[in-house]
Amino acid sequence: KAGVTQTPRYLIKTRGQQVTLSCSPISGHRSVSWYQQTPGQGLQFLFEYFSETQRNKGNFPGRFSGRQFSNSRSEMNVSTLELGDSALYLCASSLTGDIYGYTFGSGTRLTVV
Amino acid sequence: GIQVEQSPPDLILQEGANSTLRCNFSDSVNNLQWFHQNPWGQLINLFYIPSGTKQNGRLSATTVATERYSLLYISSSQTTDSGVYFCAVEETSYDKVIFGPGTSLSVIP
Repeated sequence: KAGVTQTPRYLIKTRGQQVTLSCSPISGHRSVSWYQQTPGQGLQFLFEYFSETQRNKGNFPGRFSGRQFSNSRSEMNVSTLELGDSALYLCASSLTGDIYGYTFGSGTRLTVV
Repeated sequence: GIQVEQSPPDLILQEGANSTLRCNFSDSVNNLQWFHQNPWGQLINLFYIPSGTKQNGRLSATTVATERYSLLYISSSQTTDSGVYFCAVEETSYDKVIFGPGTSLSVIP
């Protein structure tokens, strides 16, 4: 079966711009969770979507938002980019949202200059 | 919220050596998972182990939930074992996933 696909793989943006990242889960998976990974803060939970509804949210400012479509594909958006938003953004898909079912994508590496 | 600690933070091994990685967590958890992140950034599930012991080839893991720790054993290490090992837990109260800071492992030939 196809894995979790994240696009784009790499992205360079300027401070103040906005960005949209995409995650296509494994077929049949209804949960998509997003994580930010930085050298200083490690892996931090952003939010989880299940059947088009945000079910959980981490401690990130409102500039970080997301959504999920009826085909379970998810997007996350970051507005008014800051240098500190430079990170590897990972999504994980699963059937129910539990970590034992997680399959991670390869990530999108965002650099803000 | 729950705190997750991992030790050691960094580890360098000669190929063929054994190692033990530790994960401590500060409160009761629903689930516990070990992941390996390879040098290219891909995260792979290793073990789902909220309690007990599991083995998969050269890797095994043990979680003692009552004492709030989990151990990951790597035997006869290979260069392909290099990367970062994370433990992650699900909080019972908030159903959120918390990752530990990771152990960075380098296996040298």
